[in-house]
Amino acid sequence: SYVLTQPPSVSVAPGRTARMTCGGDNIGRKSVHWYQQRPGQAPVLAIYYNSDRPSGIPERFSGSNSGNTATLTISRVEAGDEADYYCQVWDSDTDDVVFGGGTSLTVL
Amino acid sequence: QVQLVQSGAEVKKPGASVKVSCKASGYTLSRYGLYWLRQAPGQRPECMGWISVGTGKRKYSQKFQGRVTITRDTSANTAYMELHSVKYEDTAVYYCAREGDAGIHFDHWGQGTTVTVSS
Repeated sequence: SYVLTQPPSVSVAPGRTARMTCGGDNIGRKSVHWYQQRPGQAPVLAIYYNSDRPSGIPERFSGSNSGNTATLTISRVEAGDEADYYCQVWDSDTDDVVFGGGTSLTVL
Repeated sequence: QVQLVQSGAEVKKPGASVKVSCKASGYTLSRYGLYWLRQAPGQRPECMGWISVGTGKRKYSQKFQGRVTITRDTSANTAYMELHSVKYEDTAVYYCAREGDAGIHFDHWGQGTTVTVSS
């Protein structure tokens, strides 16, 4: 089955840029979606189709995907961005939805 | 606006069944599929299955095949997920989520329903 690998944690100072990666075999050939999950809340779609932003998501959020790594970038990080971030793909070989293990973003 | 409102928390004994509802509003239900996912404490979300609200067609993840039933009542704009023969490890938050346009991702989520399996 397809595996997505995310670093468990990322820390960044307010106002700086946070980059969170999602690794997978030839992930650049897949569509990657990102979710933000604050403690005790349901996930929220943050980026879809690698780099599109749903309405209501700040322009500070962006995504890219190439080779074996997809990246979620948050510019000018704010305290309210502190959350867990999950990447997700659909594995066409197994017809399964796959989530990464999640990255906990800490704003220092 | 799109809203998915789920039923309240449940406590079940091992071996029992649990049924969670998800009432949708704010969009044309038949145009979108609905997924059920769950998230155990400290774990990533995992997909349980999907239903086409318009046709009733269903698809279940292999892990839950035979133990989960997803249905819908179009007149009530509501979908249901029933998990049978629950075990302690089924303790989790269960979510319904709307399938996004033209692809398998989840653009709106319910608030979650906590299911606790305890003797």
